[in-house]
Amino acid sequence: DAGVIQSPRHEVTEMGQEVTLRCKPISGHNSLFWYRQTMMRGLELLIYFNNNVPIDDSGMPEDRFSAKMPNASFSTLKIQPSEPRDSAVYFCASSPVGGASYNEQFFGPGTRLTVL
Amino acid sequence: AQKITQTQPGMFVQEKEAVTLDCTYDTSDPSYGLFWYKQPSSGEMIFLIYQGSYDQQNATEGRYSLNFQKARKSANLVISASQLGDSAMYFCAMREDRSGGSYIPTFGRGTSLIVHP
Repeated sequence: DAGVIQSPRHEVTEMGQEVTLRCKPISGHNSLFWYRQTMMRGLELLIYFNNNVPIDDSGMPEDRFSAKMPNASFSTLKIQPSEPRDSAVYFCASSPVGGASYNEQFFGPGTRLTVL
Repeated sequence: AQKITQTQPGMFVQEKEAVTLDCTYDTSDPSYGLFWYKQPSSGEMIFLIYQGSYDQQNATEGRYSLNFQKARKSANLVISASQLGDSAMYFCAMREDRSGGSYIPTFGRGTSLIVHP
């Protein structure tokens, strides 16, 4: 199994530009999570999908952030326009069927985003 | 209020000794899961061990064990026979049912463990 795949691994962009992060969850997993990790705020859950449907997006910082999951094998996190304070490592994680409390999350390698 | 509290920002341990990383949690949900993850300097998040709220016995996975004290809402990670490769950040996490079947995860701020030779 290839694990959770994220692209790009590194992204450097200028303030005001649109950024799109991509994630392919593990096949058969029906829960998908987007996290942001910074030194200041630690690991924050941004949004959580179950069966491609957004369940909880209360962690999405503001309207500049949007996430989609058009099918079970693909999700995007978009930032438009990007700002320097968005610089962070963004993780995607997936969880097996049911997303129940006993299912651990499998994390992707992360995307390190730098906004200049 | 903090759902997951890890009070030790940093810990040091001698190689081959055991170390305990603290984690306390806060929930009113009777059904929840507790997890520990390791994040080495390379950045990936690696699942280590899981404990369910209804599990009677403490979870163990190789050199990792989880000291689960439900009444105290404590889920400490014990690493036995530390190795240099154990040097990393360790995160405690909880998944609880916040909206009827939707198990939202919450992570602590992490503990940095350094293993000395």
